[in-house]
Amino acid sequence: QKEVEQNSGPLSVPEGAIASLNCTYSDRGSQSFFWYRQYSGKSPELIMSIYSNGDKEDGRFTAQLNKASQYVSLLIRDSQPSDSATYLCAVTGGGADGLTFGKGTHLIIQP
Amino acid sequence: DAMVIQNPRYQVTQFGKPVTLSCSQTLNHNVMYWYQQKSSQAPKLLFHYYDKDFNNEADTPDNFQSRRPNTSFCFLDIRSPGLGDAAMYLCATRDRAQETQYFGPGTRLLVL
Repeated sequence: QKEVEQNSGPLSVPEGAIASLNCTYSDRGSQSFFWYRQYSGKSPELIMSIYSNGDKEDGRFTAQLNKASQYVSLLIRDSQPSDSATYLCAVTGGGADGLTFGKGTHLIIQP
Repeated sequence: DAMVIQNPRYQVTQFGKPVTLSCSQTLNHNVMYWYQQKSSQAPKLLFHYYDKDFNNEADTPDNFQSRRPNTSFCFLDIRSPGLGDAAMYLCATRDRAQETQYFGPGTRLLVL
């Protein structure tokens, strides 16, 4: 059974600091990895996708993937209060497979 | 703008009364997914369509059915909703050549 594990938090970070979110997954056959942001009562919104080992940067966000360790992370630089949300890690095996989500990490950015 | 639309946004139904949730997309994507997300839980895949091919997850209850009459529309039918089916239902689409799934705004279902 495919599992994705995240620390549920809450993770509290001061405004302007770096928020670090982590995720591990059980299926070594996983091909694609995603970070979604979800505000309360809203649907998930894609923040980052990553497919190969290493780092991928997009603005204030950096995703890191280590397939050998089955580990994905998301760094948010210069954290803003608007970044306060639940961050969902999701993986898929490729093809038409659906996403397997973690339960999410609740991030709070303190002004 | 191309998008994924879900109707209604909020649905209240009675215990045991059939309900249908709707999803439409203007992205012309081949693949459409339905997820169920209960409070404080991860979204859970119920089933998906790859074009007209229906793929049910092994642990999706028989109470849940789906229809895809054309590329643009997909429906989720709950034949006899129970209190435990109260959740946010999320529709997502994906192009066959890409990995990214695009989510609609969701339908929040309340069962009385």
